[in-house]
Amino acid sequence: ELKVEQNPLFLSMQEGKNYTIYCNYSTTSDRLYWYRQDPGKSLESLFVLLSNGAVKQEGRLMASLDTKARLSTLHITAAVHDLSATYFCAVDLYNNDMRFGAGTRLTVKP
Amino acid sequence: EPEVTQTPSHQVTQMGQEVILRCVPISNHLYFYWYRQILGQKVEFLVSFYNNEISEKSEIFDDQFSVERPDGSNFTLKIRSTKLEDSAMYFCASSEGDRVRGYTFGSGTRLTVV
Repeated sequence: ELKVEQNPLFLSMQEGKNYTIYCNYSTTSDRLYWYRQDPGKSLESLFVLLSNGAVKQEGRLMASLDTKARLSTLHITAAVHDLSATYFCAVDLYNNDMRFGAGTRLTVKP
Repeated sequence: EPEVTQTPSHQVTQMGQEVILRCVPISNHLYFYWYRQILGQKVEFLVSFYNNEISEKSEIFDDQFSVERPDGSNFTLKIRSTKLEDSAMYFCASSEGDRVRGYTFGSGTRLTVV
């Protein structure tokens, strides 16, 4: 059975601190996505990682993909309150199917 | 920027009633999907659709669910006889063939079954 495991599931950070969210998956895939969801809202695409070793950065967020380890990370640098949201990783299974992790609920406190 | 549009934004229905959730995918996208999210929980895959037929479906997508592309623009999810546990946010998504830009999600329909 496919597993997409995120940790931590809940993360409370102080503003200005750094932290990493991890996404492990149990199947062969070299394509992974990160999404952000604000409460009651839709899923906003953050990063599309298309191959082993892919690294993408946008503002204070940086995502990477290691397909050999079946691991993706989302690194937060110098967190600010506006980053408070739930972050999901999702693995592309290529058969027109994408499976999500459980999500990491991030709260950034002043 | 092109959007995936979903209607209605919120639907309340009696248990046992049929509901149809509507989506207009991005016009040049080839693949269409439905996902659902029970409040505060995981986003679950329901079904994918390509070339006017179901491409993949999950174990959740049983006989009470169906999808259709009735014309060139709409993509619908029908739930034949709703149950209380069908209450969730339903998201439609679409993607290009190669998915190098990932999937684009609509704003969702909140379905409440009473």
